[in-house]
Amino acid sequence: GENVEQHPSTLSVQEGDSAVIKCTYSDSASNYFPWYKQELGKGPQLIIDIRSNVGEKKDQRIAVTLNKTAKHFSLHITETQPEDSAVYFCAATYNYGQNFVFGPGTRLSVLP
Amino acid sequence: DADVTQTPRNRITKTGKRIMLECSQTKGHDRMYWYRQDPGLGLRLIYYSFDVKDINKGEISDGYSVSRQAQAKFSLSLESAIPNQTALYFCATSDRDNRQGYEQFFGPGTRLTVL
Repeated sequence: GENVEQHPSTLSVQEGDSAVIKCTYSDSASNYFPWYKQELGKGPQLIIDIRSNVGEKKDQRIAVTLNKTAKHFSLHITETQPEDSAVYFCAATYNYGQNFVFGPGTRLSVLP
Repeated sequence: DADVTQTPRNRITKTGKRIMLECSQTKGHDRMYWYRQDPGLGLRLIYYSFDVKDINKGEISDGYSVSRQAQAKFSLSLESAIPNQTALYFCATSDRDNRQGYEQFFGPGTRLTVL
């Protein structure tokens, strides 16, 4: 089955700097890769996603890149702000909206 | 009001007790999921249901059972709780017709402690 690794497990950046979180997946049939943000005391919430037929997607300060050959995808956050502090999870699935396999998470701290 | 609600939000119980966690949604979604979150392990799928008559095991279903009482309600039971079931449990929903993309919508979670 699918296995998703995520690095780093913790990341601290200064406010205004960029943050990058990387994930690798094992199943070459995976075709949908969402990123979820979990704030303290809340459930995860989708922030951006990418399908396998696209190499990059941007939404304001966040972007996701996908390298299908290497089977890895990354989340990029630019101009980080304190409200970006949270735990971020990547996920992969081979059948779009079903049966996500999540990575272990990255705790991002944005320091003022 | 929240679209996906979970009750209780916190529960402390003893080894061997039967526990039921409940999930309700007002989003009108057909698909519902139960996940378990442990530090350093991310979210792992316990059970999922694509409609009232369709129940499927996920990655870690041993020791758990579920009931889909209606489209809007999906319950998770621990028949005989054990300490290693101490975790944060999340319910999620998604839209079969993908009108909102493939997004899963999560409830606020239930923190369960088994002593």
